[in-house]
Amino acid sequence: GAGVSQSPSNKVTEKGKDVELRCDPISGHTALYWYRQSLGQGLEFLIYFQGNSAPDKSGLPSDRFSAERTGGSVSTLTIQRTQQEDSAVYLCASSLIPTGRHEQYFGPGTRLTVT
Amino acid sequence: GESVGLHLPTLSVQEGDNSIINCAYSNSASDYFIWYKQESGKGPQFIIDIRSNMDKRQGQRVTVLLNKTVKHLSLQIAATQPGDSAVYFCAEKGSGGYNKLIFGAGTRLAVHP
Repeated sequence: GAGVSQSPSNKVTEKGKDVELRCDPISGHTALYWYRQSLGQGLEFLIYFQGNSAPDKSGLPSDRFSAERTGGSVSTLTIQRTQQEDSAVYLCASSLIPTGRHEQYFGPGTRLTVT
Repeated sequence: GESVGLHLPTLSVQEGDNSIINCAYSNSASDYFIWYKQESGKGPQFIIDIRSNMDKRQGQRVTVLLNKTVKHLSLQIAATQPGDSAVYFCAEKGSGGYNKLIFGAGTRLAVHP
């Protein structure tokens, strides 16, 4: 079946512009997560959705970052007034059951470059 | 705070040898751990997981060992193949709930013929 998909795969933007990153989770997965991966680094948690609500936003680095999820499915991560330090790969993951096994399935990521 | 780290940033092995990738974690309350494999340009791929009530779990060519006494996790890959070349991450489920995973920095495994 289809896995987690993300779009665009690559995004180059100028400093100060807004960007939107999209995540389509695996159908039926109720939990959705956003992570950020800087070059050569591990994954940094950003936000978690259960359905359309976000009970854990603790990883969002600033108020320039926001995310929403609609219909319990697609999620968008928005970065306003992008800065060069926002350059990273943004990864989305989904899981079927928010408790019990915690296996998360990852998408291929969106590589964001802020010039 | 919570953190998960790795002892070795890079590991080079000969094809056919066994590989061992190590990970230290700091949160003794963590009850679930995962190993992920990430190939270049791709998202992390689940390899194997283990709960804190277990010491060992085996998969196909992979074994995860958990030592709660010293808060240490390891991934053993038997008969390492060129296709195993990737970055490997350990992750623990954050104690704050909501299944937030805390990832280590990663270990690059290079398999040489």
